[in-house]
Amino acid sequence: DTGVSQDPRHKITKRGQNVTFRCDPISEHNRLYWYRQTLGQGPEFLTYFQNEAQLEKSRLLSDRFSAERPKGSFSTLEIQRTEQGDSAMYLCASSLRRERETQYFGPGTRLLVL
Amino acid sequence: AQKVTQAQTEISVVEKEDVTLDCVYETRDTTYYLFWYKQPPSGELVFLIRRNSFDEQNEISGRYSWNFQKSTSSFNFTITASQVVDSAVYFCALSEAVTNTGNQFYFGTGTSLTVIP
Repeated sequence: DTGVSQDPRHKITKRGQNVTFRCDPISEHNRLYWYRQTLGQGPEFLTYFQNEAQLEKSRLLSDRFSAERPKGSFSTLEIQRTEQGDSAMYLCASSLRRERETQYFGPGTRLLVL
Repeated sequence: AQKVTQAQTEISVVEKEDVTLDCVYETRDTTYYLFWYKQPPSGELVFLIRRNSFDEQNEISGRYSWNFQKSTSSFNFTITASQVVDSAVYFCALSEAVTNTGNQFYFGTGTSLTVIP
């Protein structure tokens, strides 16, 4: 399977706990994106990386959220002190840097904060 | 302001009917890209088509066709002879080339299509 993979697929946690999600992009893709999708809405941009550099962050990304891509390959998204409002699907996508390349999405991690 | 508007929240059609999903976008860039994705119940967004702002030629791929009209800022998607497997949420997305150097996508709120057998 050479698509974008995400782990875990589902996460249930209690409010106040920290969670970490992982994304493995398509191997030759140097851009990686995180989006959040709530019920009935389209995905909303959170942040993106070009190789290991985090180049843009949305205002949706509060200081409880941190993302890394240490070696320019896989990425992690951590949410600290989770709140019920963090419950959503977290989607990862990857693309090549060439002009406006299509983003290919992973299956997502569905987070439920109790 | 919403950059991508999908006014149809839910559509139901009977199998074999044709259905058109509307997408209206808003941008000040002259160079931009439009996309359609399909999200089946499993949740994964599946890429369907990419269009750049300089190419207004309509495209057909099997039962799918897309109508891009810059004059009305629309990029509509038609499924001909719909099938039950077409049931999914469909998203239209915009990527701006000048003001959005990060290539983030702006998605509409999606249209949920149900094809009734």
